[in-house]
Amino acid sequence: GENVEQHPSTLSVQEGDSAVIKCTYSDSASNYFPWYKQELGKGPQLIIDIRSNVGEKKDQRIAVTLNKTAKHFSLHITETQPEDSAVYFCAALNSGYSTLTFGKGTMLLVSP
Amino acid sequence: DAGVTQSPTHLIKTRGQHVTLRCSPISGHKSVSWYQQVLGQGPQFIFQYYEKEERGRGNFPDRFSARQFPNYSSELNVNALLLGDSALYLCASSLEAGANTGELFFGEGSRLTVL
Repeated sequence: GENVEQHPSTLSVQEGDSAVIKCTYSDSASNYFPWYKQELGKGPQLIIDIRSNVGEKKDQRIAVTLNKTAKHFSLHITETQPEDSAVYFCAALNSGYSTLTFGKGTMLLVSP
Repeated sequence: DAGVTQSPTHLIKTRGQHVTLRCSPISGHKSVSWYQQVLGQGPQFIFQYYEKEERGRGNFPDRFSARQFPNYSSELNVNALLLGDSALYLCASSLEAGANTGELFFGEGSRLTVL
């Protein structure tokens, strides 16, 4: 089955800095890669996603890149703000099994 | 617009009991998925339902079951509860299922504690 590895497990940055979270996946059949933000006591919120037919996608301060050959994808947050502090999860959808496999999460702390 | 709604938000059970969790998807979404999130981990897939039929099942014991109703709402049932079943149970809805599952929208979850 699919295996998704996520690094780092924790990330501390100063307000205004950039943050990068990286994930690798094992199953080359996966074709959809979403990123979720989860705040304390809440469910995961979809913040950006990318499909296997594109290499990069941007949405204001957030961008995701995908390298299908290397089977890794990354989340980039620029000009971080304290409200970006949360746990971020990457995931991969295996088209054959209709399931999302999640990474273990990255706790991002943005200090003012 | 209402998002994915789940009930109850919190509940406490004892070992051996049974629990039923409920989920209403976003209006117009026909697929509901259930995930278990243990503290400090990412969500783990349990079931996916589409048009009242099971479309996927994760690596969970038969104590876990689910169903989807004609109005696309869903129930997750867990029998013979174990301490290890303590977790946040998340429901997610999507327009489609299978290879076209695409965007999943999660509810706030049901926090189950088993004593």
